[in-house]
Amino acid sequence: AQRVTQPEKLLSVFKGAPVELKCNYSYSGSPELFWYVQYSRQRLQLLLRHISRESIKGFTADLNKGETSFHLKKPFAQEEDSAMYYCALPHGWGSQGNLIFGKGTKLSVKP
Amino acid sequence: DVKVTQSSRYLVKRTGEKVFLECVQDMDHENMFWYRQDPGLGLRLIYFSYDVKMKEKGDIPEGYSVSREKKERFSLILESASTNQTSMYLCASSLRAGHYGYTFGSGTRLTVV
Repeated sequence: AQRVTQPEKLLSVFKGAPVELKCNYSYSGSPELFWYVQYSRQRLQLLLRHISRESIKGFTADLNKGETSFHLKKPFAQEEDSAMYYCALPHGWGSQGNLIFGKGTKLSVKP
Repeated sequence: DVKVTQSSRYLVKRTGEKVFLECVQDMDHENMFWYRQDPGLGLRLIYFSYDVKMKEKGDIPEGYSVSREKKERFSLILESASTNQTSMYLCASSLRAGHYGYTFGSGTRLTVV
């Protein structure tokens, strides 16, 4: 069964430090993976998707099929990065398709 | 430019009441979703709809029903509210099947007393 695991509930780093939010998945086939972010008092929004291979707000994520991971990374954390981050994976097919989300990691960037 | 609108930001209801949560999107999206968001549990899918009058159960449909009479509107119904349904409810929409760039509403914080 498809599954997304985010092992850390809370990650606390200092401003300027590197940050890595972990995501592991269980999926048969070639997955399409996503990171969503929710800043305080804002809507949940798409941060990035692996197929676009783009960098958003300095974040990148690489799909590692061997380790079944899709970790989110940023070399130098900023205070405005403090938010709740969710990794997500498609579940089902065609019209039945929907996203399943991990339990989330709360990132706190301290000054 | 609000695109997914949830009618209420906060709601307080009594145990046993029938509760309606409304969601409207103005992007002509085919798919709409209802999730509940709880600390430590992440987002869990309650129901979704891929077309008018069509609905599919998600992972936690018990105690809920939905209605989609028009493409732009997707309602979540708590038939008889219970305290364990106290939660943040998020509505989302996507362009069509296979599109996973969801647009979320701002959420409805429901408290059942």
